[in-house]
Amino acid sequence: DTAVSQTPKYLVTQMGNDKSIKCEQNLGHDTMYWYKQDSKKFLKIMFSYNNKELIINETVPNRFSPKSPDKAHLNLHINSLELGDSAVYFCASSPPVSRYNEQFFGPGTRLTVL
Amino acid sequence: AQTVTQSQPEMSVQEAETVTLSCTYDTSESNYYLFWYKQPPSRQMILVIRQEAYKQQNATENRFSVNFQKAAKSFSLKISDSQLGDTAMYFCAFMRMLAGGGNKLTFGTGTQLKVEL
Repeated sequence: DTAVSQTPKYLVTQMGNDKSIKCEQNLGHDTMYWYKQDSKKFLKIMFSYNNKELIINETVPNRFSPKSPDKAHLNLHINSLELGDSAVYFCASSPPVSRYNEQFFGPGTRLTVL
Repeated sequence: AQTVTQSQPEMSVQEAETVTLSCTYDTSESNYYLFWYKQPPSRQMILVIRQEAYKQQNATENRFSVNFQKAAKSFSLKISDSQLGDTAMYFCAFMRMLAGGGNKLTFGTGTQLKVEL
């Protein structure tokens, strides 16, 4: 299936641990994004890569580091996890500028920090 | 910076009735896109409808239509013949294009819609 996929879908971990979330898209898009959805359902952009170059880097703690090995993948690594990092993290991708500008979202990863 | 405001945290509607969700935004951009996304309990983000700012004609997609008032910076979503499956969180979003490629989506705080029998 053509889609944006994320692994894992659920992640439960202890405070202080380091974890990664992986994202892959097979839509042939140039741009990928990471969003955080907090407990109040508010969605906020964290990072974006266009052709493997960082183009959006919002005010996010340095413990969060995105990595894009190629255009189809954008991973999110989080160091020294804190309780406040508990959220749903969404990956998304978008095609080059076109008439039908749209972001396609992955299923989300629910991260719970205990 | 762009801001998107959804002033209705929760709404309910009877099945088969019509409901309108409000959204206003603030921007100095002249070229942009507006979206409504739906997030059911499965948490998947689903695109409902899209509007290009340069188009005066309001977008429609089956039972979903928008009232786009560019001067007033208003972008409301009308759902006709509401169905139980429409129960979800609805997010209004503003998109601006970035120089060099890519775009940036700014979301509103969402409206939780419940369709009742």
